[in-house]
Amino acid sequence: KAGVTQTPRYLIKTRGQQVTLSCSPISGHRSVSWYQQTPGQGLQFLFEYFSETQRNKGNFPGRFSGRQFSNSRSEMNVSTLELGDSALYLCASSRTGTSYGYTFGSGTRLTVV
Amino acid sequence: QKEVEQNSGPLSVPEGAIASLNCTYSDRGSQSFFWYRQYSGKSPELIMFIYSNGDKEDGRFTAQLNKASQYVSLLIRDSQPSDSATYLCAVNNQGGKLIFGQGTELSVKP
Repeated sequence: KAGVTQTPRYLIKTRGQQVTLSCSPISGHRSVSWYQQTPGQGLQFLFEYFSETQRNKGNFPGRFSGRQFSNSRSEMNVSTLELGDSALYLCASSRTGTSYGYTFGSGTRLTVV
Repeated sequence: QKEVEQNSGPLSVPEGAIASLNCTYSDRGSQSFFWYRQYSGKSPELIMFIYSNGDKEDGRFTAQLNKASQYVSLLIRDSQPSDSATYLCAVNNQGGKLIFGQGTELSVKP
């Protein structure tokens, strides 16, 4: 059974650019969440999508956005990148929500220079 | 007050001992509780989840929940060097949103 797949694994962008990260959940999982992990702030919730609808949103600026497609794949977009956006971005999927917890992907390491 | 609090550690235990990891949370409406393990450079891996007060055992791991005290713990029996990692407590009170603690670094010495 394939796990949660995130692409790309590593990304280097320049301040002011935008970036799109991709996440393919485990087959049959309809809920996809995104998290940002930094040494100082730890794991912080960005948003959750379920059946193509954003169900929950964290406290991040509007530069952070996402979407989910009909096949449950999800993308996250960050516009006007700032140095502080450098982080590990983790995607996690679950069949319906948090009933049995989320399975995380390997993450995308974003470096903004 | 942080929503989910954990001692950052490092917590150091000898091989074969019991490691006890603790977590407190602030929202009394929290419904489900999770423990994740994260090795350095890797993504979090779900170890256990618990919903009801009391103990839940899975192999060498036992999760304990006390909703009245807003307290969750994870016991690791017969600790092994391979258990050395950061342990993250996560709490759910709103749909698919997990609130994570900062994590406790565990070091098991041979």
